[in-house]
Amino acid sequence: SAVISQKPSRDICQRGTSLTIQCQVDSQVTMMFWYRQQPGQSLTLIATANQGSEATYESGFVIDKFPISRPNLTFSTLTVSNMSPEDSSIYLCSTTGTSAYEQYFGPGTRLTVT
Amino acid sequence: GNSVTQMEGPVTLSEEAFLTINCTYTATGYPSLFWYVQYPGEGLQLLLKATKADDKGSNKGFEATYRKETTSFHLEKGSVQVSDSAVYFCALSDPLGQGAQKLVFGQGTRLTINP
Repeated sequence: SAVISQKPSRDICQRGTSLTIQCQVDSQVTMMFWYRQQPGQSLTLIATANQGSEATYESGFVIDKFPISRPNLTFSTLTVSNMSPEDSSIYLCSTTGTSAYEQYFGPGTRLTVT
Repeated sequence: GNSVTQMEGPVTLSEEAFLTINCTYTATGYPSLFWYVQYPGEGLQLLLKATKADDKGSNKGFEATYRKETTSFHLEKGSVQVSDSAVYFCALSDPLGQGAQKLVFGQGTRLTINP
């Protein structure tokens, strides 16, 4: 399985600011995914990011709030824009393994918005 | 849409007890099913999987069988250890199109094992 790292591991931000989260994979992968895990909740897919194309967002998530970049086959960023306390969550990136049905996750970025 | 319902926690057991965490799903088609585990302070790890009906996934003493007739994928372990304390998530694969799949997760079950 791919080894996935994320930066930062955690951050405390003020409302109204933006934070960019980086996700690095140790091998080339076609698809990368961004999930959100709100406090005490399950994980919800934000968007799917393929290299060379626009990210595809799930219902309830929009590009203006969560812009995503995918400049190459090993890297992606998620920006949380104009943050509010409701954005306090763990944000995780993932990618598929040898099978499209398996996903492997990064360690997550714990974001607190004050 | 597709969904996963998990046994609500938290669950607290003594070491060496038998563990069952219930998971049922609603899906069109035949999804793959997964259990993920999140240890304290760590990321999400794939624990086991099953890709078709009657498949049994197993890993680290945990097992789960894909039951199409009851739309279930219950997680079991015969003798739990303190180190099994974690949050467990049941999930299914949901097609996104063009061969891609996303994961739909249950709400998670927090398990605490006391020595």
